[in-house]
Amino acid sequence: AQSVTQLDSHVSVSEGTPVLLRCNYSSSYSPSLFWYVQHPNKGLQLLLKYTSAATLVKGINGFEAEFKKSETSFHLTKPSAHMSDAAEYFCVVSDFTGGGNKLTFGTGTQLKVEL
Amino acid sequence: EAQVTQNPRYLITVTGKKLTVTCSQNMNHEYMSWYRQDPGLGLRQIYYSMNVEVTDKGDVPEGYKVSRKEKRNFPLILESPSPNQTSLYFCASSLDRMVDEQFFGPGTRLTVL
Repeated sequence: AQSVTQLDSHVSVSEGTPVLLRCNYSSSYSPSLFWYVQHPNKGLQLLLKYTSAATLVKGINGFEAEFKKSETSFHLTKPSAHMSDAAEYFCVVSDFTGGGNKLTFGTGTQLKVEL
Repeated sequence: EAQVTQNPRYLITVTGKKLTVTCSQNMNHEYMSWYRQDPGLGLRQIYYSMNVEVTDKGDVPEGYKVSRKEKRNFPLILESPSPNQTSLYFCASSLDRMVDEQFFGPGTRLTVL
């Protein structure tokens, strides 16, 4: 069975400093991995996705993530945080199991950006 | 504008009173699904549909029903709501397979008293 673990439920950074949101996954097959962002009172929006192409994936708003199979990780990073990055972030794994598709969400990381 | 719409956005109801939350997408997407979001649990899939007349259970289907009679619509039905179904619900769609980007609706906040 596949699973996703977001290692931090809350992360706080100062504006202009780097962001690191950690995600580990387990999967029986070669998974696809996603990061979604949810701003307050909004639906989820795709930040980036990995689908077995380049291991370093660039997304919107300056975010990127690196797929590391040996570490089963897909951490999200951004070199310099902006106030508008304050939101909840979800790591998601998509896998094919038993002939069907399955999408598993992490429990989310709340990112706080301080002046 | 390409979008997923849900109605209602907010609903307060009482135990046992049947309700339907509608979901509609205008992107001609094959794949649609319903999630519930609860604090500390992330999003959990309730049901999904790969195409018209094809639906399947997700991780937490108990107490819910869905139908997919038309490609654009995927209503979520609670035949006899209970307080443990108080949650934030999201409908999502994607072009076909789950590896495609999921487009999410704005959410429906349901309270069952």
